[in-house]
Amino acid sequence: EAQVTQNPRYLITVTGKKLTVTCSQNMNHEYMSWYRQDPGLGLRQIYYSMNVEVTDKGDVPEGYKVSRKEKRNFPLILESPSPNQTSLYFCASSRGGGEGYEQYFGPGTRLTVT
Amino acid sequence: GQQVMQIPQYQHVQEGEDFTTYCNSSTTLSNIQWYKQRPGGHPVFLIQLVKSGEVKKQKRLTFQFGEAKKNSSLHITATQTTDVGTYFCKRGIMRFGAGTRLTVKP
Repeated sequence: EAQVTQNPRYLITVTGKKLTVTCSQNMNHEYMSWYRQDPGLGLRQIYYSMNVEVTDKGDVPEGYKVSRKEKRNFPLILESPSPNQTSLYFCASSRGGGEGYEQYFGPGTRLTVT
Repeated sequence: GQQVMQIPQYQHVQEGEDFTTYCNSSTTLSNIQWYKQRPGGHPVFLIQLVKSGEVKKQKRLTFQFGEAKKNSSLHITATQTTDVGTYFCKRGIMRFGAGTRLTVKP
């Protein structure tokens, strides 16, 4: 089954404790991205990757890191989480990075930072 | 970057009533996509519009792209409880509207 998976689905952590949210897709997609979703703000892009070893900042990259060592995986790293990073996070992938490609989303990771 | 304005933010309807959400841009769009997110779920692609004045239908859902390619709408005829969720439009690679949250009273 074609899908995007994320882990963990739920995470409660404390300020400053490094964490990683994993994302994997099995569709051989070139383009992957991370979004955060907050009430009233819709989906805002954090980082994206056009292909292996190619990553770039989205609209809200501060406090986040990513890597793309393999085509299928695109982990999101929070080196020192803060309460303002409490949010719902989605990983997404698409066949290409152009405007006309449908994006496939993972199930989401709900992160709470206390 | 250029945003898309989506209205209304919320809409509550009685089952059987119609529903419309609008997506507006100050600049011309090359295309626009629509997504639906069920409560507790993730966004799922519905459709893409590319041509000026384009109209596409999916059962009770009608999608329109304005003649000037600066606005789009999603209309649901005779809503059902299964239509509950948030509807997003998306321009470009990453620009989502804030979404319209639809609730349906049985």
